[in-house]
Amino acid sequence: AQSVSQHNHHVILSEAASLELGCNYSYGGTVNLFWYVQYPGQHLQLLLKYFSGDPLVKGIKGFEAEFIKSKFSFNLRKPSVQWSDTAEYFCAFLRGGSYIPTFGRGTSLIVHP
Amino acid sequence: GAGVSQSPSNKVTEKGKDVELRCDPISGHTALYWYRQSLGQGLEFLIYFQGNSAPDKSGLPSDRFSAERTGGSVSTLTIQRTQQEDSAVYLCASSPGQAFYGYTFGSGTRLTVV
Repeated sequence: AQSVSQHNHHVILSEAASLELGCNYSYGGTVNLFWYVQYPGQHLQLLLKYFSGDPLVKGIKGFEAEFIKSKFSFNLRKPSVQWSDTAEYFCAFLRGGSYIPTFGRGTSLIVHP
Repeated sequence: GAGVSQSPSNKVTEKGKDVELRCDPISGHTALYWYRQSLGQGLEFLIYFQGNSAPDKSGLPSDRFSAERTGGSVSTLTIQRTQQEDSAVYLCASSPGQAFYGYTFGSGTRLTVV
């Protein structure tokens, strides 16, 4: 079965620190990849997505992610986090030909001011 | 509406009672999804509707769970004879039918079975 692994369940950083959240998927074919964010008390929002082309994808609020096919990874990065980035982050993938995205368990990020 | 609307936002019910959760997707979105979000468990797929096609029910955890979508718009998720393990946040998402545009989520219904 296809799955998504988010290795870090809880991450605590200080403001201005760099962030990298891991995401690995298990599927050997064509995939579409997403990162969603859920701020406290809010609904899930799309941060960025990869469909094709440049494997380095830039999203909102200074986030980016790199698709590395050989590593089945789609890690999320931000060079300098802010307190307002405190949220739950979910990686999701959609295998080619499917209509149902599979989500990871999420990573809780807490940024201390 | 501007977003995906779910009601109620919170529901507390007694074990054994039936509950209905409602989702009003974005107008024109042909695809509708129900997910369940449990603490530390991520998002668990429940059911998928696409237009007038038969829904994909492969994620429903038991026959106590059912869902319908009327007129290709509003959807209702029904849980019969609720159990404590059904306690979770139930999320609805819709999309224009093409994954490229991503999925728009509602704020969810927090169900607590006591």
